[in-house]
Amino acid sequence: EPEVTQTPSHQVTQMGQEVILRCVPISNHLYFYWYRQILGQKVEFLVSFYNNEISEKSEIFDDQFSVERPDGSNFTLKIRSTKLEDSAMYFCASSEGFSGGWEQYFGPGTRLTVT
Amino acid sequence: AQSVAQPEDQVNVAEGNPLTVKCTYSVSGNPYLFWYVQYPNRGLQFLLKYITGDNLVKGSYGFEAEFNKSQTSFHLKKPSALVSDSALYFCAVRDGAGGSYIPTFGRGTSLIVHP
Repeated sequence: EPEVTQTPSHQVTQMGQEVILRCVPISNHLYFYWYRQILGQKVEFLVSFYNNEISEKSEIFDDQFSVERPDGSNFTLKIRSTKLEDSAMYFCASSEGFSGGWEQYFGPGTRLTVT
Repeated sequence: AQSVAQPEDQVNVAEGNPLTVKCTYSVSGNPYLFWYVQYPNRGLQFLLKYITGDNLVKGSYGFEAEFNKSQTSFHLKKPSALVSDSALYFCAVRDGAGGSYIPTFGRGTSLIVHP
């Protein structure tokens, strides 16, 4: 069964540093997402991406965040200057469609630790 | 606005017994409802969804969920629990009347099935 993959599984960085989290969505999916989950809290939506542009973003997704699909397979989330409160598990997801009834397929996550 | 609540942080059940994981929601229009499961070190996996039609929805691994509009609930059920069902379960909702295609996730319920 096709899976969403994410690298790295764990990233440790110092406050103020830039990090790039990478994802390979399922190959025939057209819609891509990033979510995060701070330990013990809800899964929070960050951004959705379609046709090489952002479709929706939450208030969490401020100017320090950016997303990119640099080639036909990768989907990346960049955090320009990390803060302690960015420490969380970051999940990438993809879906075949975008209307409300389409389920999302999630990767295993990248645990980001900012020190 | 859409919201979802999972009132139990943890559910304990003995193997072979029926299990229920509760979810209630709030939307303005018709709800699109989803259940996902997360095993350790894995991403969220889609289990089942309710879009329209029969209130009882069947999904993967023998799970089912019942949509109850009057009680605004979408509880996940399984007639006979397995130890391997132990995992974190997330309910999600999307408001069919809203402008966003992004679902809101609950906080998650940890299901522990004892041998």
